[in-house]
Amino acid sequence: DTGVSQDPRHKITKRGQNVTFRCDPISEHNRLYWYRQTLGQGPEFLTYFQNEAQLEKSRLLSDRFSAERPKGSFSTLEIQRTEQGDSAMYLCASSFAGDAYEQYFGPGTRLTVT
Amino acid sequence: KQEVTQIPAALSVPEGENLVLNCSFTDSAIYNLQWFRQDPGKGLTSLLLIQSSQREQTSGRLNASLDKSSGRSTLYIAASQPGDSATYLCAVKRGSTLGRLYFGRGTQLTVWP
Repeated sequence: DTGVSQDPRHKITKRGQNVTFRCDPISEHNRLYWYRQTLGQGPEFLTYFQNEAQLEKSRLLSDRFSAERPKGSFSTLEIQRTEQGDSAMYLCASSFAGDAYEQYFGPGTRLTVT
Repeated sequence: KQEVTQIPAALSVPEGENLVLNCSFTDSAIYNLQWFRQDPGKGLTSLLLIQSSQREQTSGRLNASLDKSSGRSTLYIAASQPGDSATYLCAVKRGSTLGRLYFGRGTQLTVWP
């Protein structure tokens, strides 16, 4: 399977715990994006990387959230001191310039904070 | 700020009907527009991408049009099938150097046999 992969697919955690999600983009894609989606809404942008550089961050990305892409390949999204409002689907996407930056999405990580 | 609206929010049709989903956006200065399909609890599948210089794109039974000046796009689905049941999302990208997509809330489509 050469698509975008995300791990884990589901995560249940207690309020106050830290969680980390991983995204592996399509191999030749240099851009990687994180979005958050709640029930009945469209995805909301969180942040994106071009290679290892984080180029844009949404105001949704509070100081409890941090994302990295250390070698320009996979990326991690960490949420510290989780709150019930963090419960959502976290989606990762990737793209490259030669494909008009068409974004391809992974299956998502469903986070439930109890 | 770019705002994307999709109408209708939900649509239920019998199998075989041709149907149109609508998407409007407030800022016409876009780089491209993508239509996605999302099945319940799943990620997004890209259906069509239209560049700002293009008027339409076709893939199989799907045809998407773009009128940038009026801030509108439509997704036409021909001869609908029960397997087309899903939520359809449109999203716009403002520039090549700006990464984010701005999404609408989607149209939830049900095609019944």
